Amino acid sequence: EAQVTQNPRYLITVTGKKLTVTCSQNMNHEYMSWYRQDPGLGLRQIYYSMNVEVTDKGDVPEGYKVSRKEKRNFPLILESPSPNQTSLYFCASSPGQALYEQYFGPGTRLTVT
Amino acid sequence: GQSLEQPSEVTAVEGAIVQINCTYQTSGFYGLSWYQQHDGGAPTFLSYNALDGLEETGRFSSFLSRSDSYGYLLLQELQMKDSASYFCAFRPGGYNKLIFGAGTRLAVHP
Repeated sequence: EAQVTQNPRYLITVTGKKLTVTCSQNMNHEYMSWYRQDPGLGLRQIYYSMNVEVTDKGDVPEGYKVSRKEKRNFPLILESPSPNQTSLYFCASSPGQALYEQYFGPGTRLTVT
Repeated sequence: GQSLEQPSEVTAVEGAIVQINCTYQTSGFYGLSWYQQHDGGAPTFLSYNALDGLEETGRFSSFLSRSDSYGYLLLQELQMKDSASYFCAFRPGGYNKLIFGAGTRLAVHP
């Protein structure tokens, strides 16, 4: 089954404790992206990757890191999480030329206390 | 700047037709996408308009007018399962990203 998977689905952590949210897709898509979703703000892009070893900042990259060492994986790293990073996070992928159609993972609800 | 505007909430009855409007502002533009998101779920792609006009996919249709920087999603024969949030989104010219509107919450009542 073609899908994007994320882990964990739910995470409660404390300020400053490094964490990684994993994302994997099995559709051989070139493009992958991370979004955060906050009430009333829609989906805002954090980072994206056009292909292996090619990443770039989105609209809200502060406090986040990403890497793309393999085509299928695109982990999101929070080196020192803060309460303002409490949010719902989605990973998405799409074929390189069809950014208009993105396939989303199930989401990770993160709470930072 | 680059932005989209859509109504925050729309209410309709089962079996009716509802239109969700979206206006956008950008200096370059590839096309307009629509996504559906049920509570607790992930956004799923519904439709895309690269050119002006109407695209139909079953009960859902989407329209784009580039000259008016305007589009809409039309949902016909509404069902209770259509209760969800709907987002319009576009890829700005020269950028490798989608910008999403804040979403329209559709409530379908019996």
